[in-house]
Amino acid sequence: DAGVTQSPTHLIKTRGQQVTLRCSPKSGHDTVSWYQQALGQGPQFIFQYYEEEERQRGNFPDRFSGHQFPNYSSELNVNALLLGDSALYLCASSPLLRGGGRDTQYFGPGTRLTVL
Amino acid sequence: AQRVTQPEKLLSVFKGAPVELKCNYSYSGSPELFWYVQYSRQRLQLLLRHISRESIKGFTADLNKGETSFHLKKPFAQEEDSAMYYCALTETSGSRLTFGEGTQLTVNP
Repeated sequence: DAGVTQSPTHLIKTRGQQVTLRCSPKSGHDTVSWYQQALGQGPQFIFQYYEEEERQRGNFPDRFSGHQFPNYSSELNVNALLLGDSALYLCASSPLLRGGGRDTQYFGPGTRLTVL
Repeated sequence: AQRVTQPEKLLSVFKGAPVELKCNYSYSGSPELFWYVQYSRQRLQLLLRHISRESIKGFTADLNKGETSFHLKKPFAQEEDSAMYYCALTETSGSRLTFGEGTQLTVNP
C-alpha cells in the first residue's frame, strides 16, 4: 500500500487561473481531508469529504471547492488564484471505524502550488 | 474557537540532553490531542496521540487539562530526532485537525 498519494507534486500557475489537485486515500480509508500549509505555518483545515459529500469546512472562501468520487479519491479545485494561495496542499485520509466515527488521519506528501 | 500554541519556533539541544516541546491549547470541550512529526523530505506523520498513552521513539506526552497543555518530552535526545514537530487537536476522532505553527527541533552531536 503506497499510502495516501497526491498529484501533481509541483504546480505553477498565474493569478486568475484555476487549478485542480488530486488525492487518492490509503487503502481502506473512506474519508479525505484537505489542508493548506503556507510557508512557516502549520496546516490549516480546508474541508473534509466522505460519502461523496462535504462534511466539514474551514474558514476558506468559496473559490475553494472539492469533490469526492465513488472510489473515495478526491479533488481540490481553486478558482481565480491569488498570490496568497501559494502553499503546500496536503491531503489526509482516515478510515471509518466499526462503531462509527473515524480514526487518525494519515497524510500524503502534498502538492506544492506556486502562483505567479 | 479551537487554538493550538507552540511558543518555540526553534529548539536546539545536544545529543543525550532532555528535550521538551511545549504545546498549549484552548478549547471549551474535551479535545483529542496529537503530536505529528515531519522529518526532512518526508511526509507529515503521526508520532503519538494522548488517548493511546504510548511512548513512541522514546517520546511521551501527558495531557494536562488544568493547564491546557500537551507537552512532548524525551529524556535523551538523539540526532535522528531532528525534525519539525506539530501539536494538533480535534474535537472528535477523525474530524478536522487544528495545528500549531510547529517547532523545529535540532539535536546537535
